[in-house]
Amino acid sequence: SQQGEEDPQALSIQEGENATMNCSYKTSINNLQWYRQNSGRGLVHLILIRSNEREKHSGRLRVTLDTSKKSSSLLITASRAADTASYFCATALGSNYKLTFGKGTLLTVNP
Amino acid sequence: GAGVSQTPSNKVTEKGKYVELRCDPISGHTALYWYRQSLGQGPEFLIYFQGTGAADDSGLPNDRFFAVRPEGSVSTLKIQRTERGDSAVYLCASSFQPADTQYFGPGTRLTVL
Repeated sequence: SQQGEEDPQALSIQEGENATMNCSYKTSINNLQWYRQNSGRGLVHLILIRSNEREKHSGRLRVTLDTSKKSSSLLITASRAADTASYFCATALGSNYKLTFGKGTLLTVNP
Repeated sequence: GAGVSQTPSNKVTEKGKYVELRCDPISGHTALYWYRQSLGQGPEFLIYFQGTGAADDSGLPNDRFFAVRPEGSVSTLKIQRTERGDSAVYLCASSFQPADTQYFGPGTRLTVL
């Protein structure tokens, strides 16, 4: 079963606009990671936020984590056509930190 | 240094055959994970190695699936008597320690005819 659920399932925006994707999960976590995937292959790690952190930035990316609501959001600012991809949140559980992924959000950035 | 590599990138086999999928983790990474991704889904955990031992194999779907990591580096996922339902992309990831970022390889796309 999948612990994380991304919302929306699909998002289409114009270049230059901001994109926000949300992730909800069910159980306590060690950390939460966001990944990007192009064409069904090659997961690229974007950012990791630990359970005791509330916000992290990396370039045009901003991730927030609300453990009380069991939710996280990924904001991509000033989007580019090259940002078109599927975005997954993954929660790390237990002592081995195995990741549980959602089904992803398909982001399309139109030039 | 090099990232996680996986071979082959694509594997087409016939139902009932045996296949091996290989993963070379990032040098020095002690933790290694296998995941499987079906079309339209997120990756699903199969097995986790810490060093040479399989510390958690709870995600392996049945006893046709087996994985090894004999020297604590390269890992091989082995699937016996393949079935059409085994068709998926098999992803390998490694991390320096279990709590750290997991870096994924490009995956092996397995197609069982």
